[in-house]
Amino acid sequence: SQQGEEDPQALSIQEGENATMNCSYKTSINNLQWYRQNSGRGLVHLILIRSNEREKHSGRLRVTLDTSKKSSSLLITASRAADTASYFCATDAGANSKLTFGKGITLSVRP
Amino acid sequence: NAGVMQNPRHLVRRRGQEARLRCSPMKGHSHVYWYRQLPEEGLKFMVYLQKENIIDESGMPKERFSAEFPKEGPSILRIQQVVRGDSAAYFCASSAGVNTEAFFGQGTRLTVV
Repeated sequence: SQQGEEDPQALSIQEGENATMNCSYKTSINNLQWYRQNSGRGLVHLILIRSNEREKHSGRLRVTLDTSKKSSSLLITASRAADTASYFCATDAGANSKLTFGKGITLSVRP
Repeated sequence: NAGVMQNPRHLVRRRGQEARLRCSPMKGHSHVYWYRQLPEEGLKFMVYLQKENIIDESGMPKERFSAEFPKEGPSILRIQQVVRGDSAAYFCASSAGVNTEAFFGQGTRLTVV
Protein backbone atom coordinates (compact mmCIF):
# COMPACT_ATOMS: atom_id res chain seq x y z
CA SER A 1 0.00 0.00 0.00
CA GLN A 2 1.13 3.56 -0.64
CA GLN A 3 2.93 5.01 2.36
CA GLY A 4 3.78 8.47 1.13
CA GLU A 5 1.14 10.22 -0.93
CA GLU A 6 1.90 13.66 -2.25
CA ASP A 7 -0.54 16.36 -3.23
CA PRO A 8 -1.18 18.08 -5.45
CA GLN A 9 -0.18 15.72 -8.24
CA ALA A 10 0.80 18.66 -10.40
CA LEU A 11 1.54 22.29 -9.62
CA SER A 12 2.17 25.16 -12.01
CA ILE A 13 3.36 28.51 -10.71
CA GLN A 14 5.04 31.68 -11.90
CA GLU A 15 8.71 32.27 -11.24
CA GLY A 16 9.15 34.11 -7.96
CA GLU A 17 6.10 32.57 -6.33
CA ASN A 18 6.27 30.05 -3.50
CA ALA A 19 5.46 26.38 -4.08
CA THR A 20 3.97 24.24 -1.34
CA MET A 21 3.80 20.46 -1.68
CA ASN A 22 2.27 18.08 0.81
CA CYS A 23 2.88 14.49 1.73
CA SER A 24 0.77 12.19 3.90
CA TYR A 25 1.72 8.79 5.21
CA LYS A 26 0.10 5.98 7.15
CA THR A 27 2.46 4.47 9.70
CA SER A 28 4.92 5.72 12.30
CA ILE A 29 8.21 6.77 10.80
CA ASN A 30 11.88 7.19 11.70
CA ASN A 31 12.32 10.01 9.23
CA LEU A 32 10.94 11.51 6.04
CA GLN A 33 13.07 12.58 3.11
CA TRP A 34 12.30 14.81 0.14
CA TYR A 35 13.88 14.29 -3.26
CA ARG A 36 13.86 16.10 -6.59
CA GLN A 37 14.02 14.32 -9.91
CA ASN A 38 14.52 16.07 -13.22
CA SER A 39 13.05 14.33 -16.22
CA GLY A 40 14.94 11.17 -17.02
CA ARG A 41 17.55 11.80 -14.34
CA GLY A 42 18.46 10.49 -10.91
CA LEU A 43 17.09 11.60 -7.57
CA VAL A 44 18.68 14.51 -5.77
CA HIS A 45 18.40 14.45 -1.99
CA LEU A 46 16.89 17.66 -0.68
CA ILE A 47 16.31 17.26 3.02
CA LEU A 48 15.76 14.71 5.79
CA ILE A 49 13.54 15.45 8.77
CA ARG A 50 13.47 13.07 11.71
CA SER A 51 10.35 12.06 13.61
CA ASN A 52 11.33 14.20 16.61
CA GLU A 53 11.81 17.31 14.48
CA ARG A 54 9.07 19.70 13.43
CA GLU A 55 10.76 21.99 10.95
CA LYS A 56 13.99 22.19 8.96
CA HIS A 57 15.41 24.73 6.56
CA SER A 58 17.91 24.44 3.76
CA GLY A 59 18.42 27.48 1.57
CA ARG A 60 15.08 28.22 -0.11
CA LEU A 61 13.57 25.00 1.20
CA ARG A 62 11.48 24.66 4.32
CA VAL A 63 10.15 21.29 5.45
CA THR A 64 7.66 20.69 8.24
CA LEU A 65 6.59 17.46 9.84
CA ASP A 66 3.41 16.85 11.84
CA THR A 67 3.55 13.33 13.23
CA SER A 68 0.11 13.66 14.83
CA LYS A 69 -1.40 14.23 11.38
CA LYS A 70 1.13 12.00 9.64
CA SER A 71 1.93 14.69 7.15
CA SER A 72 4.81 16.77 5.85
CA SER A 73 5.07 19.81 3.65
CA LEU A 74 7.84 21.11 1.42
CA LEU A 75 7.91 24.83 0.74
CA ILE A 76 10.12 26.26 -1.98
CA THR A 77 10.33 30.03 -1.70
CA ALA A 78 11.03 32.42 -4.55
CA SER A 79 10.80 29.65 -7.12
CA ARG A 80 12.96 29.60 -10.23
CA ALA A 81 12.47 27.98 -13.62
CA ALA A 82 15.27 25.58 -12.64
CA ASP A 83 13.06 24.23 -9.84
CA THR A 84 10.87 22.60 -12.49
CA ALA A 85 11.04 18.89 -11.65
CA SER A 86 9.20 16.06 -9.94
CA TYR A 87 9.33 16.04 -6.16
CA PHE A 88 8.98 12.91 -4.05
CA CYS A 89 8.57 12.31 -0.37
CA ALA A 90 9.91 9.06 1.01
CA THR A 91 9.34 7.61 4.44
CA ASP A 92 11.72 5.49 6.46
CA ALA A 93 9.52 3.44 8.75
CA GLY A 94 11.35 0.25 9.68
CA ALA A 95 14.54 -1.15 11.12
CA ASN A 96 16.19 -1.41 7.71
CA SER A 97 15.60 2.17 6.55
CA LYS A 98 14.15 1.10 3.24
CA LEU A 99 12.24 4.01 1.80
CA THR A 100 8.63 4.03 0.64
CA PHE A 101 7.96 6.63 -2.04
CA GLY A 102 4.86 8.44 -3.17
CA LYS A 103 4.07 8.92 -6.84
CA GLY A 104 5.50 12.41 -6.84
CA ILE A 105 4.43 15.95 -7.60
CA THR A 106 5.21 17.54 -10.94
CA LEU A 107 6.19 21.16 -10.41
CA SER A 108 6.34 23.53 -13.36
CA VAL A 109 7.74 27.00 -12.80
CA ARG A 110 6.94 29.38 -15.64
CA PRO A 111 9.58 31.99 -16.41
CA ASN B 1 33.95 12.63 -2.88
CA ALA B 2 32.18 10.93 -5.75
CA GLY B 3 28.52 10.20 -5.36
CA VAL B 4 26.78 6.91 -5.95
CA MET B 5 27.97 5.57 -9.29
CA GLN B 6 25.82 3.35 -11.44
CA ASN B 7 26.64 1.80 -14.75
CA PRO B 8 25.69 1.41 -17.41
CA ARG B 9 23.37 4.42 -17.68
CA HIS B 10 21.42 2.76 -20.47
CA LEU B 11 21.15 -0.93 -21.22
CA VAL B 12 19.28 -2.62 -24.05
CA ARG B 13 18.69 -6.34 -23.88
CA ARG B 14 16.71 -8.75 -26.03
CA ARG B 15 14.11 -10.93 -24.35
CA GLY B 16 15.76 -13.91 -22.73
CA GLN B 17 19.15 -12.26 -22.20
CA GLU B 18 20.72 -11.37 -18.89
CA ALA B 19 21.07 -7.85 -17.51
CA ARG B 20 23.76 -6.89 -15.01
CA LEU B 21 23.50 -3.54 -13.29
CA ARG B 22 26.34 -2.21 -11.16
CA CYS B 23 26.39 0.20 -8.26
CA SER B 24 29.33 1.64 -6.33
CA PRO B 25 28.18 3.34 -3.13
CA MET B 26 29.49 6.62 -1.85
CA LYS B 27 32.82 6.39 -0.08
CA GLY B 28 32.30 5.35 3.50
CA HIS B 29 28.81 3.95 2.90
CA SER B 30 28.23 0.29 3.62
CA HIS B 31 24.46 0.15 3.10
CA VAL B 32 23.13 -0.31 -0.43
CA TYR B 33 19.52 -0.29 -1.60
CA TRP B 34 18.07 -1.07 -5.03
CA TYR B 35 14.83 0.48 -6.27
CA ARG B 36 12.85 0.19 -9.49
CA GLN B 37 10.91 3.01 -11.10
CA LEU B 38 8.27 2.40 -13.72
CA PRO B 39 7.17 5.28 -15.98
CA GLU B 40 5.15 7.95 -14.17
CA GLU B 41 5.55 6.08 -10.88
CA GLY B 42 7.49 6.52 -7.68
CA LEU B 43 10.31 4.23 -6.74
CA LYS B 44 9.64 0.78 -5.34
CA PHE B 45 12.06 -0.90 -2.94
CA MET B 46 13.66 -4.11 -4.15
CA VAL B 47 16.53 -5.17 -1.91
CA TYR B 48 18.80 -3.94 0.89
CA LEU B 49 22.36 -5.21 1.24
CA GLN B 50 25.40 -4.71 3.38
CA LYS B 51 28.81 -6.09 2.52
CA GLU B 52 28.43 -9.78 1.69
CA ASN B 53 24.93 -9.91 3.17
CA ILE B 54 21.39 -9.56 1.89
CA ILE B 55 19.49 -7.93 4.72
CA ASP B 56 16.03 -7.49 3.19
CA GLU B 57 14.91 -8.76 -0.20
CA SER B 58 11.19 -8.45 0.38
CA GLY B 59 10.75 -6.33 -2.75
CA MET B 60 12.55 -8.65 -5.13
CA PRO B 61 10.57 -10.77 -7.57
CA LYS B 62 10.90 -14.42 -6.56
CA GLU B 63 12.38 -15.55 -9.84
CA ARG B 64 15.07 -14.29 -12.22
CA PHE B 65 16.25 -11.43 -9.96
CA SER B 66 19.25 -11.59 -7.66
CA ALA B 67 21.55 -9.12 -5.96
CA GLU B 68 24.93 -9.21 -4.32
CA PHE B 69 27.33 -6.84 -2.62
CA PRO B 70 30.69 -8.61 -2.43
CA LYS B 71 33.50 -7.78 -0.06
CA GLU B 72 35.36 -6.14 -2.93
CA GLY B 73 33.75 -4.34 -5.83
CA PRO B 74 30.36 -2.90 -6.62
CA SER B 75 26.92 -4.20 -5.80
CA ILE B 76 25.34 -6.08 -8.70
CA LEU B 77 21.67 -6.45 -9.56
CA ARG B 78 21.23 -9.34 -11.95
CA ILE B 79 18.15 -10.07 -14.00
CA GLN B 80 18.12 -13.35 -15.85
CA GLN B 81 15.99 -14.11 -18.91
CA VAL B 82 14.67 -10.58 -19.15
CA VAL B 83 11.12 -9.92 -20.31
CA ARG B 84 9.54 -6.72 -21.63
CA GLY B 85 7.99 -6.03 -18.24
CA ASP B 86 11.47 -5.65 -16.75
CA SER B 87 11.94 -2.43 -18.73
CA ALA B 88 12.31 0.29 -16.12
CA ALA B 89 14.78 2.59 -14.43
CA TYR B 90 16.76 0.88 -11.70
CA PHE B 91 18.22 3.09 -9.00
CA CYS B 92 20.77 2.33 -6.36
CA ALA B 93 21.05 4.28 -3.13
CA SER B 94 23.64 4.18 -0.39
CA SER B 95 23.73 5.39 3.16
CA ALA B 96 26.15 5.42 6.07
CA GLY B 97 23.68 3.69 8.35
CA VAL B 98 20.05 3.37 9.25
CA ASN B 99 17.98 6.50 9.84
CA THR B 100 20.39 8.60 7.77
CA GLU B 101 20.24 10.26 4.37
CA ALA B 102 20.06 7.93 1.40
CA PHE B 103 21.83 9.20 -1.71
CA PHE B 104 20.88 7.93 -5.13
CA GLY B 105 22.81 7.24 -8.29
CA GLN B 106 21.76 8.39 -11.75
CA GLY B 107 20.08 5.07 -12.44
CA THR B 108 20.28 2.46 -15.16
CA ARG B 109 17.53 2.57 -17.74
CA LEU B 110 16.88 -0.95 -18.94
CA THR B 111 15.01 -1.47 -22.17
CA VAL B 112 14.03 -4.98 -23.17
CA VAL B 113 13.30 -5.40 -26.87
